[in-house]
Amino acid sequence: QVQLQESGPGLVKPSETLSLTCTVSGASIGSGSNYWTWIRQPAGRGLEWIGRKYGGDITYYNSSLRSRVFMSLEKSKNQFSLRLESVTAEDTAVYFCAGGPSGVALLNWGQGILVTVSS
Amino acid sequence: SYVLTQPPSASVAAGQTATITCGGDKLGSKSVHWYQQKPGQAPLLVIYYDRDRPSGIPERFSGSTSGNTATLTINKVEAGDEADYYCQVWDSDSDHAIFGGGTNLTVL
Repeated sequence: QVQLQESGPGLVKPSETLSLTCTVSGASIGSGSNYWTWIRQPAGRGLEWIGRKYGGDITYYNSSLRSRVFMSLEKSKNQFSLRLESVTAEDTAVYFCAGGPSGVALLNWGQGILVTVSS
Repeated sequence: SYVLTQPPSASVAAGQTATITCGGDKLGSKSVHWYQQKPGQAPLLVIYYDRDRPSGIPERFSGSTSGNTATLTINKVEAGDEADYYCQVWDSDSDHAIFGGGTNLTVL
């Protein structure tokens, strides 16, 4: 069974960089058959896809965030990471990581982590 | 960019059948996935590739597509089915995952 767990600071100052990590168990980050995705959800609103990274280094980002977002794999730690630069209050949301053998249907999710952008 | 449209809310009496729709241009040519999200929880995949159920999802949940509309059907609705439901596709033109705005299902 694949399990995911987000971690990182819950508070980030405006204009700074949001950095989150997703620790995976039950599947290999480096496997070419797995996909790793970040999604976020502002309070009371819907789901927004941030980006997806394929184990073979192919990455897709939401075009609305592409200039500020970067995803990476930490294969030695079986983790994948999200970095979002120059954050504003509009980036305040619960951030979820998700992953598994499908890049289009998200079977396995982390519990989510609330990140607040505030001074 | 590709847009998926869902009604913001739906209601159904317990024991009855709930239908939640998701509309999009040429949606029938895409694979639609459905998620259930209860307050404070992560979304749960309940239908993938239009009509398949992941392990552990009750047979009461089913999906279908026709033309520009996908439908999630929940038979014999229970109080525990009260949640937000999101449809989602992968748009290969933009290489983006697209979510519908979500439908809040109330069980009366």
